[in-house]
Amino acid sequence: GQNIDQPTEMTATEGAIVQINCTYQTSGFNGLFWYQQHAGEAPTFLSYNVLDGLEEKGRFSSFLSRSKGYSYLLLKELQMKDSASYLCAVRTDSWGKFQFGAGTQVVVTP
Amino acid sequence: DAMVIQNPRYQVTQFGKPVTLSCSQTLNHNVMYWYQQKSSQAPKLLFHYYDKDFNNEADTPDNFQSRRPNTSFCFLDIRSPGLGDAAMYLCATSRTGTEEQYFGPGTRLTVT
Repeated sequence: GQNIDQPTEMTATEGAIVQINCTYQTSGFNGLFWYQQHAGEAPTFLSYNVLDGLEEKGRFSSFLSRSKGYSYLLLKELQMKDSASYLCAVRTDSWGKFQFGAGTQVVVTP
Repeated sequence: DAMVIQNPRYQVTQFGKPVTLSCSQTLNHNVMYWYQQKSSQAPKLLFHYYDKDFNNEADTPDNFQSRRPNTSFCFLDIRSPGLGDAAMYLCATSRTGTEEQYFGPGTRLTVT
C-alpha cells in the first residue's frame, strides 16, 4: 500500500527551531511538497524537493533523501503565526497526481 | 489577483438531497483537482483533470461525479449525500501538474 507518515503534533517555543519528519512509501515519486494549513483554511505551498538535498526558503528549509523515502521541513525562528498544520505531499506520477500525509500540528508557545 | 474561487464557502444539505459545489480559476492552469478533507485527516484526492482528460481515483465512491466544462470551471456533484460525506471539499489547480498546487478556500459541507 501507499503510506505517508508524519508525527501528529509537535510543540515548540517562539524563536526556537522545529523539524517535522515525513517518511513515504508510494507507487511512484515525482517530487515532494510541503504545505502549511491554518485551521479552517486551505493549504498554502511552502517548499518543493525533487532531487536529494536541502532547499532553503527564508525561515523554512526542506530536505529530501529519495533512497530513504524521507523528508523533513525545518522551521527556524518560530513565530506565533507558524502555529498550523504542516502537510507532506508526494507527487506520484508525471501527470500531477498527489498523495498527502495527515499533517503535523505545530503549536508555538510564548 | 489570479486565484482559485470556490462557491459556496459553506453548504448545508439534507441527507440524500443532491448538491453541487463549484470551483473557478483565473490562473489558466491545465490541471484541476477535487479533494475531500475530514477533520485532522489528509486531503483525499477524489478526481483530477489534465485539460479535459478526467482521472477518477479507484476508491472515489460512485456517489461523487465531476464536470469540467472549460478550463476555468470545475464542478463536484454529490448525487445522494450521506452523513459520512460531511467534510471540507478543496479545489486546487496546478499549471502543468509538475508544479505546486494552488488551493481554493474550500467548501465546508454539512449533511443534516
